[in-house]
Amino acid sequence: EAGVVQSPRYKIIEKKQPVAFWCNPISGHNTLYWYRQNLGQGPELLIRYENEEAVDDSQLPKDRFSAERLKGVDSTLKIQPAELGDSAVYLCASSPAYSGNTIYFGEGSWLTVV
Amino acid sequence: KQEVTQIPAALSVPEGENLVLNCSFTDSAIYNLQWFRQDPGKGLTSLLLIQSSQREQTSGRLNASLDKSSGRSTLYIAASQPGDSATYLCAVEGSQGNLIFGKGTKLSVKP
Repeated sequence: EAGVVQSPRYKIIEKKQPVAFWCNPISGHNTLYWYRQNLGQGPELLIRYENEEAVDDSQLPKDRFSAERLKGVDSTLKIQPAELGDSAVYLCASSPAYSGNTIYFGEGSWLTVV
Repeated sequence: KQEVTQIPAALSVPEGENLVLNCSFTDSAIYNLQWFRQDPGKGLTSLLLIQSSQREQTSGRLNASLDKSSGRSTLYIAASQPGDSATYLCAVEGSQGNLIFGKGTKLSVKP
């Protein structure tokens, strides 16, 4: 069974440019998460979806970040415009259902803003 | 606000040694606790999930314990191997259904 797939793996952009990350969760997983991980830190939640509904986006910087999960499967996270402080790893994860389940992570999308 | 702390931040041991990684959390009202492993340049792999009603979970050479009342969990690794070298992260799930992570312990097992 395929795991959580993310693309691109690596991206280098200039500040003020837009960037988008794509995630394909494990088949049948209703819950999808986007986390951001800075160097030497643990991941921090940006947004959580239950099917196509964003149920927790309290940590998403809505002035420049947006996300969508069409048809409750794939998801896209966008940053526009990017700032130097956005350099981080963006991790997508999925689980069968909300709460109490093992969470499966993708390998991450590594963003460098120069 | 829930805070998760992991001690030590880094640990180096010779191969074959048994070791313990520590995790503490400030709010004992958790649903579960998970231990993850992260290899350099990779995502996180779930190792063990302990529900709030459980005291411990075991998988192979790994044993994780949970003491909710004291806000502590430990990950015990028996007979460590060089392949165990990685960063180990602890995360707790609270009432909002989100995982709060510690900063991790970077483990190095020397041959």
